[in-house]
Order: sequence, then C-alpha cells, then structure tokens
Amino acid sequence: NAGVTQTPKFRVLKTGQSMTLLCAQDMNHEYMYWYRQDPGMGLRLIHYSVGEGTTAKGEVPDGYNVSRLKKQNFLLGLESAAPSQTSVYFCAILSGNSYEQYFGPGTRLTVT
Amino acid sequence: SQKIEQNSEALNIQEGKTATLTCNYTNYSPAYLQWYRQDPGRGPVFLLLIRENEKEKRKERLKVTFDTTLKQSLFHITASQPADSATYLCALDIEGSARQLTFGSGTQLTVLP
Repeated sequence: NAGVTQTPKFRVLKTGQSMTLLCAQDMNHEYMYWYRQDPGMGLRLIHYSVGEGTTAKGEVPDGYNVSRLKKQNFLLGLESAAPSQTSVYFCAILSGNSYEQYFGPGTRLTVT
Repeated sequence: SQKIEQNSEALNIQEGKTATLTCNYTNYSPAYLQWYRQDPGRGPVFLLLIRENEKEKRKERLKVTFDTTLKQSLFHITASQPADSATYLCALDIEGSARQLTFGSGTQLTVLP
C-alpha cells in the first residue's frame, strides 16, 4: 500500500466513546484523505488535507474531526461514537506527480 | 447532484473470456476517470487513469474507454483469470484543487475456472 499505514486495524467502541484513527505515510506527499466504506455505498470522502496544518470537509464530515499537525500524519477523531459510524475507514495519499491515490489497509470500526 | 453508477453489482464470467464493466455518471463533467481494484479486506489499488480528451487507454490485459458524450466508461479485462476476481471501482475527480475523488459502489467480478 505504498507506505501508508493505519492504526488500529480493528476496534470496537460503545456508543458515546471517543477514539482517534491514525494514518501515517513514509513519503513526503502533501494531500491526504479519509474515506469510509459501507456495503453498497462505495467510498465516501470524510475529510481531506492539502498540507501540514490544513484540513477541509468532504462529503460526509459530520461526527468527525481531523488534524494534520505533522505532514506525515493525518488523524481522524470520533468525539462521541454512534452506531451509524460503524464502517471501514480508509486513508489515502495522493501520488505527487499524478492523480492516483494510494490507500492504506483500512480500519474496521464497530460501534455497539 | 453528481451521481455515479456501476452497472451490475456482481458479474460472473468464464476464465479466458473478456470481462466488461460499466461506469455511468450524470450531472458531471470530469476531467479524468480512474479505475481501482479492491480485494476483500484490503484497500483499493489504482489501475488506470483516462483523461477527458482520451478515448482509450491500455495496460497489459486492461483497457479503459471514456465517452464524454455518453457519460460512460467501459473497463475491459481480456483473457480473464481467476486471479482477476475482485471488486472494481470507478472514480471521478471532483472540481477543486484538492483532486478529490467520488467513487462508484463497485462491481464484484468473479472469474470462474
């Protein structure tokens, strides 16, 4: 997955709990993205970042916050988890010289 | 609003045949279109990109066409193999400087031996 790692791989939360998902890249790419993937819905963009210290909302940002304090890391936070946030979360980076995205292995989150 | 449809959630074909997957879009004028492969439990992997001014792109056994008049892309895998079994996603760029993509829901291809 081209040097994109995600932590953790699996997590189970109770409703109302909080957690942070970490995406780390070992390259020097500016653009990073967070997606969620649900059955039959494809990948939907949650938030993205075009560089250190910048973040922006995607298609489905409600209930999530993000931070990009260091260029290599893009964090996705859930302040108060809800069952509707049960999903598989993917981080991606943009290849520097083209438009293709490289994805991490994903985090499977279950909220009960 | 923008809408992407990948025809047929699942497609089964015999080994050696050509698989053809369809991606249609509406209310949209993308600058480029991409195809990704996704295996169970893994992240999507980039396969091909085709720009709006290109009619066809090839890579080994893969071929992508892009018809901006019909608002459709076709993805072909020739001489298909069981190892080609996976979910294939099409993605279109969203207008803006961050090169965001919007994805279709995917077509699950099974190549039968």
